[in-house]
Amino acid sequence: EVQLVESGGSLVQPGGSLRLSCAASESTVNGHWMHWVRQAPGKGLEWVSVIKNDGSSTIYADSVKGRFTTSRDNARNTVYLQMNRLRVEDTAVYYCTTLGAGNINDYWGQGTLVTVDS
Amino acid sequence: DIVMTQSPDSLAVSLGERATINCKSSQSLFSSSNNKNNLVWYQQKPGQPPKLLIYGASTRESGVPDRFSGSGSGTDFTLTISSLQAEDVAVYYCRQYYTIPVTFGQGTRLEIK
Repeated sequence: EVQLVESGGSLVQPGGSLRLSCAASESTVNGHWMHWVRQAPGKGLEWVSVIKNDGSSTIYADSVKGRFTTSRDNARNTVYLQMNRLRVEDTAVYYCTTLGAGNINDYWGQGTLVTVDS
Repeated sequence: DIVMTQSPDSLAVSLGERATINCKSSQSLFSSSNNKNNLVWYQQKPGQPPKLLIYGASTRESGVPDRFSGSGSGTDFTLTISSLQAEDVAVYYCRQYYTIPVTFGQGTRLEIK
């Protein structure tokens, strides 16, 4: 079973930057489009971004477009989320996931907490 | 963007009774390319990531108890738990994968009455 482990979450001031990492236990995830999904404290799930399996294409939610950048290094089985110009409303647990269904396995990490506060 | 609306927001059901959660999408999720409705259901317990229960609107994920079932087509979908167990207390989400951006319902909190 593939394991996804997020890291990099911490407390940061508004306007600051942070880079999250998502390391996979197997290279099989390199064939997957990889998503970031976040969950604010006590709230629901919000899709953030997706990156194509070869890294050639990315799509972002309107709420983070122009501030967040997702990338991947398939040689390291790792996906990244660079978050700039952070806002208080970006406070959330950030999950990386394959968002699977059917013939695509649905893998999730345990999440990493990002807190934006002065 | 496709808007996903769940009802109710919260639900309290007695042990052994049926629980029903609804999910409505702002446009049809039926894909003629795979002849399926591109909708999944998740269960999320505190401190854990979501767990996939149902995909294709009605197919149970491997290992999911058969008391969980999904139904519906087009824009209206239902998750049913036929006989509620204590371990089913959780928040349940629907998600569409018909198009990007992926969108989730707001969640339904299921409790024991």
